[in-house]
Amino acid sequence: DGGITQSPKYLFRKEGQNVTLSCEQNLNHDAMYWYRQDPGQGLRLIYYSQIVNDFQKGDIAEGYSVSREKKESFPLTVTSAQKNPTAFYLCASSWGSYSNQPQHFGDGTRLSIL
Amino acid sequence: ILNVEQSPQSLHVQEGDSTNFTCSFPSSNFYALHWYRWETAKSPEALFVMTLNGDEKKKGRISATLNTKEGYSYLYIKGSQPEDSATYLCAFKTTDSWGKFQFGAGTQVVVTP
Repeated sequence: DGGITQSPKYLFRKEGQNVTLSCEQNLNHDAMYWYRQDPGQGLRLIYYSQIVNDFQKGDIAEGYSVSREKKESFPLTVTSAQKNPTAFYLCASSWGSYSNQPQHFGDGTRLSIL
Repeated sequence: ILNVEQSPQSLHVQEGDSTNFTCSFPSSNFYALHWYRWETAKSPEALFVMTLNGDEKKKGRISATLNTKEGYSYLYIKGSQPEDSATYLCAFKTTDSWGKFQFGAGTQVVVTP
């Protein structure tokens, strides 16, 4: 079955530590996205990528980094510079950020601080 | 950052009743509006992609309308069933947003038998 796989489902970070969230898709989609959800808020865009080896900052990119070396993979690193990383993180993909096709989402990763 | 608002934040519906809720967005430079259903412990699932003023879409008992001139979309659930319980998200994109969608905070619907 085609879809998006996020791992791990739960992740714990120590103070001062970088952690990487994995996102893999086998839908052959060009565009991939990372969102953050906090209680009572909508999904906020962290980074997005429209094509391999290219990505753009979203609305809340500070303290995060990404790479897009392969079409199917878009890992997100939460760096120690992100002072409030506890949140639910969703990865999504679509045929292209200018298409009118909907986004497909993974199951999410919940990150907590130890 | 564009402001997309959904109201109400939550609502409780008796099984069999119909309900509706709103997504409001800026009316200028409209490109597309998406509706998603997000059930607990699952990933968000696309319901509708709406692009034209006056669009009406239907999927089973769920339908949606779009008014781009005044900046709102309604989602209707007819004859609510317990399986309709979910958070419904809308996401809005403008012609100059470089592929970025702005999501509302969602409307949580709880259908009780």
